[in-house]
This record gives sequence, C-alpha cells and structure tokens, in this order.
Amino acid sequence: SQTIHQWPATLVQPVGSPLSLECTVEGTSNPNLYWYRQAAGRGLQLLFYSVGIGQISSEVPQNLSASRPQDRQFILSSKKLLLSDSGFYLCAWSEGIQSNQPQHFGDGTRLSIL
Amino acid sequence: GDSVTQMEGPVTLSEEAFLTINCTYTATGYPSLFWYVQYPGEGLQLLLKATKADDKGSNKGFEATYRKETTSFHLEKGSVQVSDSAVYFCALSGGSNYKLTFGKGTLLTVNP
Repeated sequence: SQTIHQWPATLVQPVGSPLSLECTVEGTSNPNLYWYRQAAGRGLQLLFYSVGIGQISSEVPQNLSASRPQDRQFILSSKKLLLSDSGFYLCAWSEGIQSNQPQHFGDGTRLSIL
Repeated sequence: GDSVTQMEGPVTLSEEAFLTINCTYTATGYPSLFWYVQYPGEGLQLLLKATKADDKGSNKGFEATYRKETTSFHLEKGSVQVSDSAVYFCALSGGSNYKLTFGKGTLLTVNP
C-alpha cells in the first residue's frame, strides 16, 4: 500500500532563517505531488504541484520554492523565512493525471516563525 | 473557474444528532467530488468520493450523493459521535485539471 511521510512534524524557526521541508511517497511510481499551506482557522492554499521529476508549477508568488529531485521526493524550501510563512504545511500525492483520483495527504508540518 | 461553497459553521451538535453539511460547486465539465476530514493537529483524510452524477459515496456512516441538477454534494450522517468532531472539507477535481479545489472547511463539534 502507498504511504506518505512528511518531516519534521513541528518546526520553530527565526525570521530570516532558511527552510527545508521534505516529503516522500512509498508504494507508487510517478505520482503527482503537491504542497499546501493552511493558515490558522482557514482553508487550504495550493502552493506548488509537480507531475514529474524536475517539473514544478507554482500557484502563488511567494518566497518559497519547491523541488523534486527524485520521483517520490518533494521538497519545500525558503532562503529567508518571513513571519507570514507561519502555518501548517501539507504534502499530498495523487495517481497520474486522471481527474477522478483523490489526493492523499501527509500528517503535516506545523511551522512557527519567531 | 472552478469553485466550492460549503457552510462555514461552526456546527455544534449533541451526540446521536443528524448531521448535514451543505456543499455546492461550480465547474465546467464533469468533476469528481470528494469529502475530506481533518482531525485536530492532523493532515486531511479522504472520507468519501463520487465520480459521476447520482453516485453515492459512503464511509464510516457518512454519505453524500452527487447531484448534477443542483450541483450539490451534501454530507450527511444519521447519528454523530463525539469522535466525529473535526473539520470537514468539500472538494472537486475537474476535467483535465488534476488540482483539487477545496471549500473553506466546516468545523463540527459534537458534545456528549
């Protein structure tokens, strides 16, 4: 069966520091991968998605970036964190490009910027 | 573009009460529809799905029917439990666009 792992679970970082959040998927190949942010008490905002190695699409302008160095690995990064980057970050995957396939989410990373 | 509108709540019910969370959508073509649940401090879990008109998705006592004529996918449960307390998200995936469009979520609190 397929599993998705995100780490770390929680992170406290000072403003201006770098960021690297990692997500890996097991048990499937060539998944679509997604990064979402969920601000406190609000819905989900899609940040990036990827349909293959090295293929990244950005949904919103921001100081975050994403990379997919391997088929089942998705990394969210920042060179300098802002206070507004605080939130709950969720990684997700889905099968192929068929629209009727659901997305499956990791347990999330709670990021606090001080 | 695609959009999902769901009652924002919060919804507070007593144990064993009947639950309805309304969800309506706007999409071109024939989207697939989903309900996700998020328990406190956790990621989202797929609760149920429906991929074509008149399909009924069901799981853990929850049900939702894909109504194309009213563009709705309302979530229902006949008797809620305290353990059902969570945020519920309605979502759609449409056409060749494999991105999900989410509603804003509905917080459900069930009291004993």
